[in-house]
Amino acid sequence: DQQVKQNSPSLSVQEGRISILNCDYTNSMFDYFLWYKKYPAEGPTFLISISSIKDKNEDGRFTVFLNKSAKHLSLHIVPSQPGDSAVYFCAASALRNSGNTPLVFGKGTRLSVIA
Amino acid sequence: ETGVTQTPRHLVMGMTNKKSLKCEQHLGHNAMYWYKQSAKKPLELMFVYNFKEQTENNSVPSRFSPECPNSSHLFLHLHTLQPEDSALYLCASSQDYILNSPLHFGNGTRLTVT
Repeated sequence: DQQVKQNSPSLSVQEGRISILNCDYTNSMFDYFLWYKKYPAEGPTFLISISSIKDKNEDGRFTVFLNKSAKHLSLHIVPSQPGDSAVYFCAASALRNSGNTPLVFGKGTRLSVIA
Repeated sequence: ETGVTQTPRHLVMGMTNKKSLKCEQHLGHNAMYWYKQSAKKPLELMFVYNFKEQTENNSVPSRFSPECPNSSHLFLHLHTLQPEDSALYLCASSQDYILNSPLHFGNGTRLTVT
């Protein structure tokens, strides 16, 4: 059973517009969330994270929003640029006595930014 | 050399072969990981090493055997694999396993089992 779900396999957005990538999770114990970005033939790279004590974290063009009651987070990219075209993975972990659990990843959403 | 380096980038092996994947990190991190990415599936954690000690084994079949001789190097020894083991194998490292330190991934080894 998937604990982290990215229900949109792909998304196309016009350059300059906002890209919104969504992620849902089922484990209410998750308290730390991350987004990774992956270009073809490269490994995923860390983009932005958010702790469950916050509902928003912003870093330049990238903002992550967390809605704990809905078990939903989203990544906003504005303005979108062609170089943002990649696969975006949502990941989550839960706190336990021995530290956080390993990250659980979603399947990814392929973003295409059209010039 | 920077970051996390994986070799080889591509590997084709028969079901009776024995091969090894290598990972090296130059970031001074203490934790190293093996992940598997199969088509249309999420990244799956296989193994975690923290300060050279294995801390997680995510129910991985024994035909996959990890080795971590030091904090900078991680190997995945492969033997008698099945065609369904064909996937992208990603190595990652992080500063610390206990705390929420982001993972740094290598570019992966694309494995094909024939």
